[in-house]
Amino acid sequence: AQRVTQPEKLLSVFKGAPVELKCNYSYSGSPELFWYVQYSRQRLQLLLRHISRESIKGFTADLNKGETSFHLKKPFAQEEDSAMYYCALSGFFSGSARQLTFGSGTQLTVLP
Amino acid sequence: GAGVSQSPRYKVAKRGQDVALRCDPISGHVSLFWYQQALGQGPEFLTYFQNEAQLDKSGLPSDRFFAERPEGSVSTLKIQRTQQEDSAVYLCASSSAGGRRDTQYFGPGTRLTVL
Repeated sequence: AQRVTQPEKLLSVFKGAPVELKCNYSYSGSPELFWYVQYSRQRLQLLLRHISRESIKGFTADLNKGETSFHLKKPFAQEEDSAMYYCALSGFFSGSARQLTFGSGTQLTVLP
Repeated sequence: GAGVSQSPRYKVAKRGQDVALRCDPISGHVSLFWYQQALGQGPEFLTYFQNEAQLDKSGLPSDRFFAERPEGSVSTLKIQRTQQEDSAVYLCASSSAGGRRDTQYFGPGTRLTVL
């Protein structure tokens, strides 16, 4: 079975400080991992995926298969980064479904 | 272009009532997913369509839940004899092909409250 764990429900940092949102996963195969973000009163949207190895809005995430982690990092947090962040996994399931398994989310607040 | 839309945005039902939730995916998207998000939790998978075929319904919590996508476009999630534990936000997502690397685009959700 696949599982995604985000140990922190709430995280507060000051503007300009580094931020790291933790994500650990459990999956026996080779997972595809994503970070989704939901800003206040907006819909859930993709922030980044591990396969792209890109930086979006200053955020990066590295897949560590040894530690089964996919932590999201940003060196200098901005107030507009305040949002709910979800880590998600897409495994290789039998059949055709490619559904996402989500963590419970971390609410990030960046203080002025 | 237009994103995924869902209606109604809010629905209040009395326990025992039937409800129908609608999802309009992005035009041309082959794959459509339904998720249920309880308060304080991440979304949880309910069911998956590829065009009009329902290929996975393993996440539907009971036989009171039924989904359809008869013409491979609009989808409806129906809940019969609603119970209080059905209260949640129901999210619809679509993707162009449905591969596990494909981006899923989410709708705004329907918040269902069962009294």
